Amino acid sequence: ILNVEQSPQSLHVQEGDSTNFTCSFPSSNFYALHWYRWETAKSPEALFVMTLNGDEKKKGRISATLNTKEGYSYLYIKGSQPEDSATYLCARLNTGNQFYFGTGTSLTVIP
Amino acid sequence: KAGVTQTPRYLIKTRGQQVTLSCSPISGHRSVSWYQQTPGQGLQFLFEYFSETQRNKGNFPGRFSGRQFSNSRSEMNVSTLELGDSALYLCASRKGQETQYFGPGTRLLVL
Repeated sequence: ILNVEQSPQSLHVQEGDSTNFTCSFPSSNFYALHWYRWETAKSPEALFVMTLNGDEKKKGRISATLNTKEGYSYLYIKGSQPEDSATYLCARLNTGNQFYFGTGTSLTVIP
Repeated sequence: KAGVTQTPRYLIKTRGQQVTLSCSPISGHRSVSWYQQTPGQGLQFLFEYFSETQRNKGNFPGRFSGRQFSNSRSEMNVSTLELGDSALYLCASRKGQETQYFGPGTRLLVL
């Protein structure tokens, strides 16, 4: 993998469903993986920063895992709510201190 | 504490003109990064400034330039504007290797 890739590109789920999406990234020169939540007409908001292989972070109903050896991270949302509707971005920070962003997963939670 | 601020929020220019965008980071944050977002594209990294020096640069033409002042405020300049420069320009500040905090962005329209 040369670039940061996110899948799926977009997702529609029913309120109450749990969902997850993927961020894949080059594992070489890896320093950290950041997840952001970007609501329409607002600024991207940081969710998690993960650095260690096997890291798991949780904030309320949202959690994330990290596998630096194979170069992927999963973001999970349990019991999706309409207010979770947003674009979720991941960004890889390399050892050269540079961020590379994925194109995001757009989540729509249908009431 | 105050968040990242960007001015102006909206801007309309014509082809061939130049534009300067401003970003004030969170107090104490010495790193300021600039990103461009166009429809269908992820956040594209433009450059990062730290202590008044450009620390990293993305893959953008020389028409895109920036600078940082001693108070960590940063400006981004685009000369000889093209239609394709129409985008949302975001700046983000951070402290060390911590997460980035984004400003609200400047939406530039080139006619």
